[in-house]
Amino acid sequence: DIQMTQSPASLSASLEEIVTITCQASQDIGNWLAWYQQKPGKSPQLLIYDATSLADGVPSRFSGSRSGTQYSLKISRLQVEDIGSYYCQQAHSNPDTFGAGTKLELK
Amino acid sequence: EVKLQQSGDELVRPGASVKISCKASGYTFTNYAMYWVKQSPGQGLEWIGTIIPLIDTTSYNQKFKGKATLTADKSSNTAYMELSRLTSEDSAVYYCARVHRYNLYVMDAWGQGASVTVSS
Repeated sequence: DIQMTQSPASLSASLEEIVTITCQASQDIGNWLAWYQQKPGKSPQLLIYDATSLADGVPSRFSGSRSGTQYSLKISRLQVEDIGSYYCQQAHSNPDTFGAGTKLELK
Repeated sequence: EVKLQQSGDELVRPGASVKISCKASGYTFTNYAMYWVKQSPGQGLEWIGTIIPLIDTTSYNQKFKGKATLTADKSSNTAYMELSRLTSEDSAVYYCARVHRYNLYVMDAWGQGASVTVSS
């Protein structure tokens, strides 16, 4: 199975700060990568797909990028409603696998 | 509005089975595949499998073959997942999630989750 190494595991940031979360794939996955946000007590919600495409209704402060087998999710100006956990998902090879998650808290 | 309404939380005995439902509304059920995902504290998120209701085709994560069985009832727009021979390792929250129509791995709508607790 493809391993997705997500970092950091937890992150504390201030409002309006730039936040970056990364996932390192254990092998080439092309652009078969999505990012999800999970707010406390809620289901995950789609943010980014195909590594860089913003899902419908997602604020433009979220963006995704790729450099080789490293994928990044960036929040340009952290808002209070962005607090929660973030997960990457690869779907290049069966089975789909996920990063272990990043818990984002407010400083 | 797209909605996936899952059945309620379950407390089940070891060795028993449980069947979770996921009723879809707000879209044409047969036009989209459905993923099932497990979320547990120890293992994070895991893809269990996928069902394509239109053609009743399923695909499973090898890890969950023999554990999970996915079905769909087109007449009621409901997807089901049955988990068998339950152990404490199966205690988790289980989600159904609609797969994007054109990006066939992207989960663009999720159910609220169903918690399964396996305990005697």
